[in-house]
Amino acid sequence: DTGVSQDPRHKITKRGQNVTFRCDPISEHNRLYWYRQTLGQGPEFLTYFQNEAQLEKSRLLSDRFSAERPKGSFSTLEIQRTEQGDSAMYLCASSLVLGTGETQYFGPGTRLLVL
Amino acid sequence: GQNIDQPTEMTATEGAIVQINCTYQTSGFNGLFWYQQHAGEAPTFLSYNVLDGLEEKGRFSSFLSRSKGYSYLLLKELQMKDSASYLCAVRDLRNDYKLSFGAGTTVTVRA
Repeated sequence: DTGVSQDPRHKITKRGQNVTFRCDPISEHNRLYWYRQTLGQGPEFLTYFQNEAQLEKSRLLSDRFSAERPKGSFSTLEIQRTEQGDSAMYLCASSLVLGTGETQYFGPGTRLLVL
Repeated sequence: GQNIDQPTEMTATEGAIVQINCTYQTSGFNGLFWYQQHAGEAPTFLSYNVLDGLEEKGRFSSFLSRSKGYSYLLLKELQMKDSASYLCAVRDLRNDYKLSFGAGTTVTVRA
């Protein structure tokens, strides 16, 4: 297993366009998280899935953002009508939850630039 | 919620030791993590503490005091490749075990 992968690694788009990012977690992991990170800050939680169920969405996630994990494996994060403020690194992490213990492992991220 | 504080920047010399402190306030502490993040890359897991005391992993050690809401990451025998941001993250059982991250400490190792 090669760890968490994300695609694309970089995305440049014009304001108002829609973008979609993909995350493939470590295969046996049941939790998948999306974070957003801006320069000089730590990752901020956006949403997460336990298997295919989306358990929580941060208030940071406006109605323009939607995430899916249709078969409990890969996940997509879509941003509609992008704004310049959406420019950030979007990180995906996965973990295997056993009882109350888990460690999250991060993918390489998708760096989004909205012009 | 959680308030997680760590210094913004630290500079040290190759071969030296650096200690990065992290303080936190949380209502349902369930573990503290340290991640390393090189510029433009994803965070990579370094250590996990849930009980008080010191955890050692080669050149890196992490300490936790739950009563003081305090942790530190100790980097020994610094190498140039250790130049990175170090993120402190706290898991809260009252927040469904999700992680909250500090802003990170940028460590610069000089020759």
